[in-house]
Amino acid sequence: DIVMTQGVLPNPVPSGESASITCRSSKSLVYKDGKTYLNWFLQRPGQSPQLLTYWMSTRASGVSDRFSGSGSGTYFTLKISRVRAEDAGVYYCQQVREYPLTFGSGTKLEIK
Amino acid sequence: QVTLKESGTGILQPSQALSLTCSFSGFSLSTTGICVSWIRQPSGKGLEWLADICWDDGKGYNPSLKNRLSISKDTSNNQAFLKITSVDTADTATYYCARGSFFDYWGQGVMVTVSS
Repeated sequence: DIVMTQGVLPNPVPSGESASITCRSSKSLVYKDGKTYLNWFLQRPGQSPQLLTYWMSTRASGVSDRFSGSGSGTYFTLKISRVRAEDAGVYYCQQVREYPLTFGSGTKLEIK
Repeated sequence: QVTLKESGTGILQPSQALSLTCSFSGFSLSTTGICVSWIRQPSGKGLEWLADICWDDGKGYNPSLKNRLSISKDTSNNQAFLKITSVDTADTATYYCARGSFFDYWGQGVMVTVSS
């Protein structure tokens, strides 16, 4: 199985500052089509997860451009610019490169 | 408008079978490339992918649950199903269904408790 390892944030993050969440995979997530099969989600308290980005860096429909995904084949970053109170929650990375699909353990973001 | 909604047995006893239904609208499981996944989340913990089923009846399972999972679909009625046999307290969680390999739409989740 591909293991997804997420970093920890130095919470709380002051409103208006930037936050970067890291995720590492135990195997490259680049497929033969050249795409990187990594998703990022935000789960706010009491809600279902919400897709933020797919293919590592493509924002989902309706997602603010304050969210940007980047990385290589095994190391990924989700950057949140000018954080707001509504960005608080747990962020998950997920690989969809191969079965079984696996999630990281989550990174909590608190806003000050 | 894409929506998904999970339903199923709320409380079970250990060793029973759990049956879950994902009822969806706004897309079809007969459309090329479309899949529906099941994911679960114990209270206060992370997400675990369980299984998926696709338009061509292809299926994927999480081997950590060994042979306890069975996924199926009813394309005509826009539903996907998951059955988990021989449940125990570790299966207590909120169960979600989600669309596609992007997981771009999720249901609200259904809470399942396994208790004697």
